Amino acid sequence: GAGVSQSPRYKVAKRGQDVALRCDPISGHVSLFWYQQALGQGPEFLTYFQNEAQLDKSGLPSDRFFAERPEGSVSTLKIQRTQQEDSAVYLCASSPGQGGPRETQYFGPGTRLLVL
Amino acid sequence: AQSVTQLDSHVSVSEGTPVLLRCNYSSSYSPSLFWYVQHPNKGLQLLLKYTSAATLVKGINGFEAEFKKSETSFHLTKPSAHMSDAAEYFCVVSPRGGNTPLVFGKGTRLSVIA
Repeated sequence: GAGVSQSPRYKVAKRGQDVALRCDPISGHVSLFWYQQALGQGPEFLTYFQNEAQLDKSGLPSDRFFAERPEGSVSTLKIQRTQQEDSAVYLCASSPGQGGPRETQYFGPGTRLLVL
Repeated sequence: AQSVTQLDSHVSVSEGTPVLLRCNYSSSYSPSLFWYVQHPNKGLQLLLKYTSAATLVKGINGFEAEFKKSETSFHLTKPSAHMSDAAEYFCVVSPRGGNTPLVFGKGTRLSVIA
């Protein structure tokens, strides 16, 4: 079946622009996670949804970052007034249940954001 | 707080020789541990996971890992490297208790020489 998909795959933004990154999880998956992967680093947690509820947003680096999942399926990560330090790969993952410690998270290919 | 330390940022092996990628973890609870692989321009793929059943875990593509609580280690091994194994490998911990995001190590880049 289809895996996690993300769009766009690549995004170039001028500093100060707003961007929106989309994630389509595996159909029926309850939990959805966003991670940020800087160049040469491991992914770092940003935020997490269970259905439409945002249960943890402790990893969002600033109030310029906002995520939503209004119908419990597709999610959008929005970055306002982009800065150069926002340049990274943004990864989305979904898992079937409540995102517990033994669940497997399935990752999308990521969106590579470059802020000039 | 939970964390993982990947002891080597880069490992280079010859094709057909064994692979060892080292990982130590820190966790207040009995953790779940994972190894993911990331090929260039591809998504992260799960290789294997430990969830407190057997301490020797077998994964895909001939990889396996052994959970050693006394050493707080979860090293990844493969008896014979293949050229297609060249990629970035991440050791990952998932803390216990409810809705828990993954905590990644910094990654180990594996190069395989013909």
